Amino acid sequence: QKEVEQNSGPLSVPEGAIASLNCTYSDRGSQSFFWYRQYSGKSPELIMFIYSNGDKEDGRFTAQLNKASQYVSLLIRDSQPSDSATYLCAVNTGAGSYQLTFGKGTKLSVIP
Amino acid sequence: DTAVSQTPKYLVTQMGNDKSIKCEQNLGHDTMYWYKQDSKKFLKIMFSYNNKELIINETVPNRFSPKSPDKAHLNLHINSLELGDSAVYFCASSQDLQQATQYFGPGTRLLVL
Repeated sequence: QKEVEQNSGPLSVPEGAIASLNCTYSDRGSQSFFWYRQYSGKSPELIMFIYSNGDKEDGRFTAQLNKASQYVSLLIRDSQPSDSATYLCAVNTGAGSYQLTFGKGTKLSVIP
Repeated sequence: DTAVSQTPKYLVTQMGNDKSIKCEQNLGHDTMYWYKQDSKKFLKIMFSYNNKELIINETVPNRFSPKSPDKAHLNLHINSLELGDSAVYFCASSQDLQQATQYFGPGTRLLVL
């Protein structure tokens, strides 16, 4: 069973702080990793994807990947109340296609 | 214009009924997906279609039958609805099987009484 694990939270951070969201995965053959944001009652929205070990930055968001440790994280700098949402980690576990396995999500609350 | 649309948005029905959910994408994508998100917010893929051809069929009861009349549409028909089918069903699309970005529809909230 290919699994993607996340702490369900809630993770509370003060406004302006760095929020750190973590994800581990079981399939060593996984090649691509995604972070989706889901506001309550809304659909998932892609924030970032990462394929290579290391960091990938996009604005206030940084995705970090360590394939040896089977670990991917998302850092949100200068957290804003509008960042309060559930963050879903997704891993490509399909052979030759983008079949995504999702974690259960981490609920983030940014306190003003 | 909505990129991925679903109808209906809400569906309340009795156990044992048959219902359908429709999905349409106007992005010109080749690949479409159905996901189920349960009450614990766990999002799990059910089916994917590429150019009207079934690609992924996860362990889903036979009561669920997807149909893709053309590559812009992927419908989901559910027979003999059960209480456990209550969930939010999301349709999504991607440019093709090799593209990372999946665009999700707004979801259909199904409640089986």
